[in-house]
Amino acid sequence: GDSVTQMEGPVTLSEEAFLTINCTYTATGYPSLFWYVQYPGEGLQLLLKATKADDKGSNKGFEATYRKETTSFHLEKGSVQVSDSAVYFCALTNTGGFKTIFGAGTRLFVKA
Amino acid sequence: NAGVTQTPKFQVLKTGQSMTLQCAQDMNHNSMYWYRQDPGMGLRLIYYSASEGTTDKGEVPNGYNVSRLNKREFSLRLESAAPSQTSVYFCASSPFETSGETQYFGPGTRLLVL
Repeated sequence: GDSVTQMEGPVTLSEEAFLTINCTYTATGYPSLFWYVQYPGEGLQLLLKATKADDKGSNKGFEATYRKETTSFHLEKGSVQVSDSAVYFCALTNTGGFKTIFGAGTRLFVKA
Repeated sequence: NAGVTQTPKFQVLKTGQSMTLQCAQDMNHNSMYWYRQDPGMGLRLIYYSASEGTTDKGEVPNGYNVSRLNKREFSLRLESAAPSQTSVYFCASSPFETSGETQYFGPGTRLLVL
């Protein structure tokens, strides 16, 4: 079945460091790919998404490119801030489906 | 526009007690979902409702029941709570007019079963 694998955390960075959180997926067909973010004590909210191969999703300085050849959707940010501390979830929804498969989540701590 | 709301925020139950978690959305979305979140396991789908009047099992439905009361409301019931159901429960909704739609999440309900 479909699945999402993302790097284990926690990831600890200093402010202004470069961030990469790896995400790979297994799916038949042509899934849509998502990154959701969960701030402490809150529900998940969409960070960015890409619906077809080679699309780049971007929001709030975060970017991820849908790479079908490597089945990956890695999240990057050039300069993290303390306010980016949160748990990040990679997810996919397959073609014609409306169920979303989530990765286990990666906790990010950013130190001042 | 409140988005997705959930009640209660916190609940402590004793083993064997029952309770219903309530969820409502005001975005006129077709699809609604119940997830549980456990450490290191991401979100796991319990039940979903693709549209008003339909419900289906997700990945971990045992011990739960759901009701899609109308287009706005989707409740989750624990008939006889067990310690293994200690978790954070999230409700979500989605327009679902095409695949690849974003899900919108409520703030969650923290449940402790003693």
